[in-house]
Amino acid sequence: GESVGLHLPTLSVQEGDNSIINCAYSNSASDYFIWYKQESGKGPQFIIDIRSNMDKRQGQRVTVLLNKTVKHLSLQIAATQPGDSAVYFCAEMLRGGSNYKLTFGKGTLLTVNP
Amino acid sequence: NAGVMQNPRHLVRRRGQEARLRCSPMKGHSHVYWYRQLPEEGLKFMVYLQKENIIDESGMPKERFSAEFPKEGPSILRIQQVVRGDSAAYFCASSDWAGSSYEQYFGPGTRLTVT
Repeated sequence: GESVGLHLPTLSVQEGDNSIINCAYSNSASDYFIWYKQESGKGPQFIIDIRSNMDKRQGQRVTVLLNKTVKHLSLQIAATQPGDSAVYFCAEMLRGGSNYKLTFGKGTLLTVNP
Repeated sequence: NAGVMQNPRHLVRRRGQEARLRCSPMKGHSHVYWYRQLPEEGLKFMVYLQKENIIDESGMPKERFSAEFPKEGPSILRIQQVVRGDSAAYFCASSDWAGSSYEQYFGPGTRLTVT
């Protein structure tokens, strides 16, 4: 299940199960969102992105859902594998002018048990 | 096709010394971003640069920190007179908007330790 630890929220799943990682973003004007995966000691790795004119986008084994009404993003990982164990961050962007910076959420630690 | 390169990967400095972190963007990318990450936290935006221009430095501390992205060579993040609170992982990302994606590609990071 999902729990909030002292620092990062954590999610522990069994190999083969589906995982759902949630994120609340901060700026209702943000119009572009990305999910990143970060393994220990490495930089963030792009997983999937979605624009604000969409509410769902699918990739290989991953689906991102966007609910602008409640400013909520989720990342669904199908058939979770041990290699999916990492910290997952959502990031938001308000495009336009000189403002193309990403604002990152706190992150969720996903642990996949074999 | 080489990704974003950062060096050094690990840097140890004593308090009061200077730290220079280098970032070479992906080939063809002309936009560079620097982010800082404290342990068990998300990345915090510091500065956004294009060649020879600082576009947005709203996340940079007002003192001791500076960044540049010259016409030739890597982008440099410079921290003068480091303090223990500067210890963190510093990530560089690059992007190219020739297409329709705003994806930022991240480097492996430089882990700065101030002793």
